[in-house]
Amino acid sequence: DTEVTQTPKHLVMGMTNKKSLKCEQHMGHRAMYWYKQKAKKPPELMFVYSYEKLSINESVPSRFSPECPNSSLLNLHLHALQPEDSALYLCASSQDPRNYGYTFGSGTRLTVV
Amino acid sequence: KQEVTQIPAALSVPEGENLVLNCSFTDSAIYNLQWFRQDPGKGLTSLLLIQSSQREQTSGRLNASLDKSSGRSTLYIAASQPGDSATYLCAVLAAGNKLTFGGGTRVLVKP
Repeated sequence: DTEVTQTPKHLVMGMTNKKSLKCEQHMGHRAMYWYKQKAKKPPELMFVYSYEKLSINESVPSRFSPECPNSSLLNLHLHALQPEDSALYLCASSQDPRNYGYTFGSGTRLTVV
Repeated sequence: KQEVTQIPAALSVPEGENLVLNCSFTDSAIYNLQWFRQDPGKGLTSLLLIQSSQREQTSGRLNASLDKSSGRSTLYIAASQPGDSATYLCAVLAAGNKLTFGGGTRVLVKP
């Protein structure tokens, strides 16, 4: 299995809802990432987990809460989002980015209404 | 701070023509450079990964070159097809394992 799987593919949520995005990989990669991508812009890093520990938080608002329950799974919990949080959320993983680069998932298209 | 620029921002070519996509970066102290393809509303598909010690990588119709000293990489796609229409992103990996993306080149290949 050489894929990063993200669910759901699409999500519409109200500003008072709580929802979660899920990311899964079975490649044995020890680092996992959340990126946010707005239309016609490059992806922006949000969080990095290394060996199941949060190693980087790029000053992301607390309404986004990441969780890494095990080495294969990464969640992003969403609460009280704003319409401007609507974007494509991408998950990525890597074993050794210096030698093997990154593998990205297909993303979750989030719309906040 | 590393900055990555991709020129042109958009490109339209007739089918069969070769594509040349450019990527430049400001800090040559990189570990590697990765080219990705992104279809509208979809995730990123890795095309080629070039290590800082390498000059080029090839996969099928794709060839990517790297000139680290001048801070440039070029992605060549031979004999373009309508299915090559997508956005192409380059990203460089530098100290702290920080991945910096360029703004992308939107490619349209007309039948």
